[in-house]
Amino acid sequence: NAGVTQTPKFQVLKTGQSMTLQCAQDMNHEYMSWYRQDPGMGLRLIHYSVGAGITDQGEVPNGYNVSRSTTEDFPLRLLSAAPSQTSVYFCASSVGRGLMNEQFFGPGTRLTVL
Amino acid sequence: KQEVTQIPAALSVPEGENLVLNCSFTDSAIYNLQWFRQDPGKGLTSLLLIQSSQREQTSGRLNASLDKSSGRSTLYIAASQPGDSATYLCAPLNAGGTSYGKLTFGQGTILTVHP
Repeated sequence: NAGVTQTPKFQVLKTGQSMTLQCAQDMNHEYMSWYRQDPGMGLRLIHYSVGAGITDQGEVPNGYNVSRSTTEDFPLRLLSAAPSQTSVYFCASSVGRGLMNEQFFGPGTRLTVL
Repeated sequence: KQEVTQIPAALSVPEGENLVLNCSFTDSAIYNLQWFRQDPGKGLTSLLLIQSSQREQTSGRLNASLDKSSGRSTLYIAASQPGDSATYLCAPLNAGGTSYGKLTFGQGTILTVHP
């Protein structure tokens, strides 16, 4: 199993540009989520999904869109990038929201918005 | 809203020492608590998962304890090695309120083990 994969590893955007951060998992996990990690702020939940077709907002959802059309993929879209979205983005997955749901994280995407 | 605090923020020890990392959380309504390791510029690696009904979980030189009622968890690292140098994060999985089903992360403890 490849686990949780994320592309790209690095990205530089200009303010106002749009892009999609890709996340995929091959473990048939129901639950997937996106976090951003900023110095002094720790990891904060952006959006999450409990299964295909179901998404919900986390702690810091503004400026980000998600959809989940398949179990495997959970892309994160930035519609109009802002410098405040400069961060490291992590995708995570787990078997489900109940007990024994160890979370597995991808390697991250480092995004810089100029 | 769940809040997680990790103490100390940074720790520097000589190789071979046993050490304890502390994690406290404000809401005891949790399903489980997970400890992660993060190396510089890398993702999070899961170290241990303790269910809310458990008191301890062990993996090799690592031992994690959980006292759910008092909102505390500790990660014990025995015989530390330079390869243990990393940031250690704890994250309870919330079972109630607006944080239901979500992980809340602490700021982490930056551990440096020098030869």
